[in-house]
Amino acid sequence: GESVGLHLPTLSVQEGDNSIINCAYSNSASDYFIWYKQESGKGPQFIIDIRSNMDKRQGQRVTVLLNKTVKHLSLQIAATQPGDSAVYFCAENAKNSGYSTLTFGKGTMLLVSP
Amino acid sequence: NAGVTQTPKFRILKIGQSMTLQCTQDMNHNYMYWYRQDPGMGLKLIYYSVGAGITDKGEVPNGYNVSRSTTEDFPLRLELAAPSQTSVYFCASSYDGQGDGYTFGSGTRLTVV
Repeated sequence: GESVGLHLPTLSVQEGDNSIINCAYSNSASDYFIWYKQESGKGPQFIIDIRSNMDKRQGQRVTVLLNKTVKHLSLQIAATQPGDSAVYFCAENAKNSGYSTLTFGKGTMLLVSP
Repeated sequence: NAGVTQTPKFRILKIGQSMTLQCTQDMNHNYMYWYRQDPGMGLKLIYYSVGAGITDKGEVPNGYNVSRSTTEDFPLRLELAAPSQTSVYFCASSYDGQGDGYTFGSGTRLTVV
């Protein structure tokens, strides 16, 4: 079946650097994507989302880019902080028996060194 | 406001035993979900519910059962535990089924030995 996946399993950066986490998706019918942050021992938390009619969306220190031509999205974190260390998942909001459910990628662990 | 509460946080089961993972939410959300997360992997959908009395299978439903008798509660039942069910289980709820509105619980870590 079609799925959402990530290119990099672990990303190590220095505090203050910009981080880029990538995600590839294969379902061309997907029209809504979400990035989640999961800290150790906790459930995922919503970071930012983007719909397929947009190429870019910005939040506080985070930007999501969507390239529908190559079915790729990325999460950019500006001025990365130690508190940003976590696993980041992209998720696709897909129709399932008429209702929308989330399909998650495998995740990328972001490690931020002081 | 407690959000989504899962119990227990940890559990060790022997092969063939049964148990129920509890999930309750106090946000009056219609949509509720059960996911499992295996080490180094993303979350996979087990079952979901769009309202009291309505449940449906997700990607990996085999070995599990659910019920939704009230809006607040969505228990997940394991009847005959198997080592393959060793995982972290997350319950989530949503007001409108959109990904930005998912609230996750803190998870139940289950080990089957």
